[in-house]
Amino acid sequence: GAGVSQSPSNKVTEKGKDVELRCDPISGHTALYWYRQSLGQGLEFLIYFQGNSAPDKSGLPSDRFSAERTGGSVSTLTIQRTQQEDSAVYLCASSHPTGEPPERLQYEQFFGPGTRLTVL
Amino acid sequence: LAKTTQPISMDSYEGQEVNITCSHNNIATNDYITWYQQFPSQGPRFIIQGYKTKVTNEVASLFIPADRKSSTLSLPRVSLSDTAVYYCLVGDTLTGGFKTIFGAGTRLFVKA
Repeated sequence: GAGVSQSPSNKVTEKGKDVELRCDPISGHTALYWYRQSLGQGLEFLIYFQGNSAPDKSGLPSDRFSAERTGGSVSTLTIQRTQQEDSAVYLCASSHPTGEPPERLQYEQFFGPGTRLTVL
Repeated sequence: LAKTTQPISMDSYEGQEVNITCSHNNIATNDYITWYQQFPSQGPRFIIQGYKTKVTNEVASLFIPADRKSSTLSLPRVSLSDTAVYYCLVGDTLTGGFKTIFGAGTRLFVKA
């Protein structure tokens, strides 16, 4: 079946421009996550959605970063007035419940291929 | 959120068993332990998850001692294609989603 898709795969922009990154999660997945990964580094959590709501926005690096999710499906991560330090791979993941209580399994996250953002 | 500590890197040879240990001293009662694998230029991929004792699947085994303050991912008979970064995570997703902290991971390099 279709996995998580992200677009564009690569984005080169000039400093100060706004960019929008798109994530299409697996159909039916209720949770959606955004991460950022700089070259050679681990994943930095940015935000997650449960449905259309974002209970935790504390990972967003600054107010230049925002994200929304509509219809419990597609999500867009927007970076305004991009800076060179925003250059990274932006990864999206989705997940859904896989077990019933009392097992309470952690929900496996399925990752997209990422968007490589380069700010010149 | 429980912080995890893993070795930065490990080397191994093809055919050997590799054990990667993760420390999570502040793990909470409801937390599960999950391991992900990431190849270059790809997103992480789920490997295995456990709560206590031992879990085994077709890819790996996960050993969790009684105090759950650490866990060990065991990869049997590694091959060159197992060269990747391995991340240990702890967290509780009873609500269906959670803030996940991947950390720096362990970079495993398998040599011929």
